Amino acid sequence: GAGVSQTPSNKVTEKGKYVELRCDPISGHTALYWYRQSLGQGPEFLIYFQGTGAADDSGLPNDRFFAVRPEGSVSTLKIQRTERGDSAVYLCASASGPSGRKTDTQYFGPGTRLTVL
Amino acid sequence: AQKITQTQPGMFVQEKEAVTLDCTYDTSDPSYGLFWYKQPSSGEMIFLIYQGSYDQQNATEGRYSLNFQKARKSANLVISASQLGDSAMYFCAMREGQQAGTALIFGKGTTLSVSS
Repeated sequence: GAGVSQTPSNKVTEKGKYVELRCDPISGHTALYWYRQSLGQGPEFLIYFQGTGAADDSGLPNDRFFAVRPEGSVSTLKIQRTERGDSAVYLCASASGPSGRKTDTQYFGPGTRLTVL
Repeated sequence: AQKITQTQPGMFVQEKEAVTLDCTYDTSDPSYGLFWYKQPSSGEMIFLIYQGSYDQQNATEGRYSLNFQKARKSANLVISASQLGDSAMYFCAMREGQQAGTALIFGKGTTLSVSS
């Protein structure tokens, strides 16, 4: 079936604006993760959803960042009052669920490249 | 302290040769999982291979194998018979514990360049 998809692939915005980044996980995957990847670095965890609820949001850098997953499938990462330091690639990953080895493998989408001018 | 260390910023190899990408990790949790991902220039992270801390044998997936040395806390990726399409960034990652939904901790990556 289809993999994880993310839209838009690129987003350019001005400092202070609000942006929304969307993630469509693999069908049937209950676990969904958001990561942020800065240039030359590995991805860093932002937030994890199991079903509709945010089970772990310890990676969100501040209260300008928020994410939802209202129906347990598509998720939206929302960034308010964007700053130049928010420029990065935002990656979404999904997994079929908790526990087990292979079943907990996270499959990533292509990412959204956010540029804040 | 870094949880995942990849000391090779860049590696160069010729086609058909084997290459080893280094990864060391740091955790006090007896239960953990180690992953390797490939990230081509298109940006998508592609899962390659997984090794669990309790696995007795080294993981293998086609041309990829993981040289797991638990006492040394290393989990090196070995790519046999390199191909031009293997040119990409490679990330080692760890998941600590068995709790549901534990996030991955990534290293800084190694850029692999394969030449003909």
